[in-house]
Amino acid sequence: DGGITQSPKYLFRKEGQNVTLSCEQNLNHDAMYWYRQDPGQGLRLIYYSQIVNDFQKGDIAEGYSVSREKKESFPLTVTSAQKNPTAFYLCATKLDTSGNTIYFGEGSWLTVV
Amino acid sequence: AQSVAQPEDQVNVAEGNPLTVKCTYSVSGNPYLFWYVQYPNRGLQFLLKYITGDNLVKGSYGFEAEFNKSQTSFHLKKPSALVSDSALYFCAVRDRGRVTGGGNKLTFGTGTQLKVEL
Repeated sequence: DGGITQSPKYLFRKEGQNVTLSCEQNLNHDAMYWYRQDPGQGLRLIYYSQIVNDFQKGDIAEGYSVSREKKESFPLTVTSAQKNPTAFYLCATKLDTSGNTIYFGEGSWLTVV
Repeated sequence: AQSVAQPEDQVNVAEGNPLTVKCTYSVSGNPYLFWYVQYPNRGLQFLLKYITGDNLVKGSYGFEAEFNKSQTSFHLKKPSALVSDSALYFCAVRDRGRVTGGGNKLTFGTGTQLKVEL
C-alpha cells in the first residue's frame, strides 16, 4: 500500500525529554518535509530535505533536529530545547525539486505532560 | 517573501447552496497555487492546483478554483455543498520562479473552517 506513514499517532512527553516522530514513505519521492500545526496559525515549516543526506532548516527549526539517512525515512526529534512542543506534526513528501504537489501523512499529536 | 491570506476563519453554508472559500496571495513572481482539505485529526488532502493554463481549475469532490491574476486571488468554489464537505480548508502558494532551496517551499494560509448545515 503506497503512502506516507507517521508514527506514533499520539505521543506524550515529559518535560526535559527528547522524543522522535517517525515518517516513512514508499512513494519514491525525493523531497520530505516536517510541518507543525497550531490552531489558528496554519502550517509552519520545521525542516525539509530534498535529497538523502541533506536537509535544511525551515522557519521554526529551533528545538528540533532531523536526519535523512535513507530516502524512505525522515525522522523528527523534538528536543528538550523546544519550549512549546505541544502541537500536531505533519510529514509531507514531494516527487522532486521540480515537482509541484506535496502530499501529507496522517499526522502525529505530541503533548507535553 | 510570499504570503497567503484566508480572510474568513469560518464559512457557514446550507447544504445544496453554492460555497466559496476565499484566498488571496502575494509572490514576487508567478505563483503555483494549491488547495488542501483537512478533516479532524487527519493529514491534509490535496484538492487541486493551478500551475499554468486555464484560470478555472477543477479538482476532487466537485471543487473548483479560479485563478485571478489581477486580483491575486484563488477562491475555492463548489456549486452545491454537502454536509460531508465540512472541514478545514487551506490555501497555499509557491513562487514558480524559485525552484531550489528555500524558494521551493509552500506557504500556507491559516485555514478556513467550512460548516455545511442541513
